[in-house]
Amino acid sequence: DAGVIQSPRHEVTEMGQEVTLRCKPISGHDYLFWYRQTMMRGLELLIYFNNNVPIDDSGMPEDRFSAKMPNASFSTLKIQPSEPRDSAVYFCASSETGLYGYTFGSGTRLTVV
Amino acid sequence: RKEVEQDPGPFNVPEGATVAFNCTYSNSASQSFFWYRQDCRKEPKLLMSVYSSGNEDGRFTAQLNRASQYISLLIRDSKLSDSATYLCAALGGGGSYIPTFGRGTSLIVHP
Repeated sequence: DAGVIQSPRHEVTEMGQEVTLRCKPISGHDYLFWYRQTMMRGLELLIYFNNNVPIDDSGMPEDRFSAKMPNASFSTLKIQPSEPRDSAVYFCASSETGLYGYTFGSGTRLTVV
Repeated sequence: RKEVEQDPGPFNVPEGATVAFNCTYSNSASQSFFWYRQDCRKEPKLLMSVYSSGNEDGRFTAQLNRASQYISLLIRDSKLSDSATYLCAALGGGGSYIPTFGRGTSLIVHP
């Protein structure tokens, strides 16, 4: 298995632009998580899906953030409009049941200038 | 109070040393715990799972103390390659599958 695949690996964008991050979970994993990691706040859960359905989005910072999972093999996290404080590493993780740990993608390093 | 707390370190130890980290959690209903290793500019990778009293894998031992609500990670015979940040995570109780991560403990193993 290729693991959790995220794209792009790096993204530099100007403030106000729309940013779309992509994730392909491991086949057969029913749970998908989006995390954001910064030095100040560590790993923060933004949203998670179970069987493509958003279950908890209470970690999404504000309305500028949205996430979708149109099918079992693809999810997007969109920021519109982006701001410099959104600069962070965004990780996608998937899990078969949640009980046996999570596999993370390699992350997207986002810089908003 | 944060749900999962770790000493950020860094723990600076010589090769061959034994080092231990603790991680405290606030949700007494948590049932499953994990240790992840994260190398610089990389993603976290699962190191060990802890479901009952503990788990051992080679030089690594994880233990759970429910009474005091902490988990520990013991690394014996430290190698240079063990240098990394170690994150602990607690799975919420009551059927919740939301993992909460600590901020991580930095380990530096020097020659």
